[in-house]
Amino acid sequence: AQSVAQPEDQVNVAEGNPLTVKCTYSVSGNPYLFWYVQYPNRGLQFLLKYITGDNLVKGSYGFEAEFNKSQTSFHLKKPSALVSDSALYFCAVRGNNNDMRFGAGTRLTVKP
Amino acid sequence: ETGVTQTPRHLVMGMTNKKSLKCEQHLGHNAMYWYKQSAKKPLELMFVYSLEERVENNSVPSRFSPECPNSSHLFLHLHTLQPEDSALYLCASSQQRYTFTDTQYFGPGTRLTVL
Repeated sequence: AQSVAQPEDQVNVAEGNPLTVKCTYSVSGNPYLFWYVQYPNRGLQFLLKYITGDNLVKGSYGFEAEFNKSQTSFHLKKPSALVSDSALYFCAVRGNNNDMRFGAGTRLTVKP
Repeated sequence: ETGVTQTPRHLVMGMTNKKSLKCEQHLGHNAMYWYKQSAKKPLELMFVYSLEERVENNSVPSRFSPECPNSSHLFLHLHTLQPEDSALYLCASSQQRYTFTDTQYFGPGTRLTVL
């Protein structure tokens, strides 16, 4: 069965600094990887996904994610963080059985 | 978020009550999902409907009863719930259930509190 791990419950960065939210996955077969963001009192919003091709995937709001097959990772990145990026971020993987599995989430806080 | 709407946004109910959660998607999708989100836990997939047919039920207690009358609407009927059922219930929809590249789009959720 497929799974994802988000090793950090909390990430704190200063505004203007680069940010990274980590995700590692385990799946049999080809991985299909997703990032979602959840703002307070809101549902999950789709940010980006990796299906195949270029290992660097660009998504909404200036976010990007790097797929690394050898390290089974799919870390979310942004070159310059904004206070408004503060939210809960979820990584998800879909494996060959087509079920989607979400991580427990990482709370990102960007301080002015 | 106008693509997938959920009502009510907040619900407080006693253990003996019966209530229903409603989800509506305006995206023309063929699949709909119910998830349970509890604090510091991964999202738990509860039910999946594809073309109005239930295709997945992840060992959810019978006190949760889904209904999908058409491809745009999904309900979750609740009865005799327990306090541990208190959580955020999220509805999602996607174009095609059985496509690996399929992306799910979520509603804002219903915050349920069981007293």
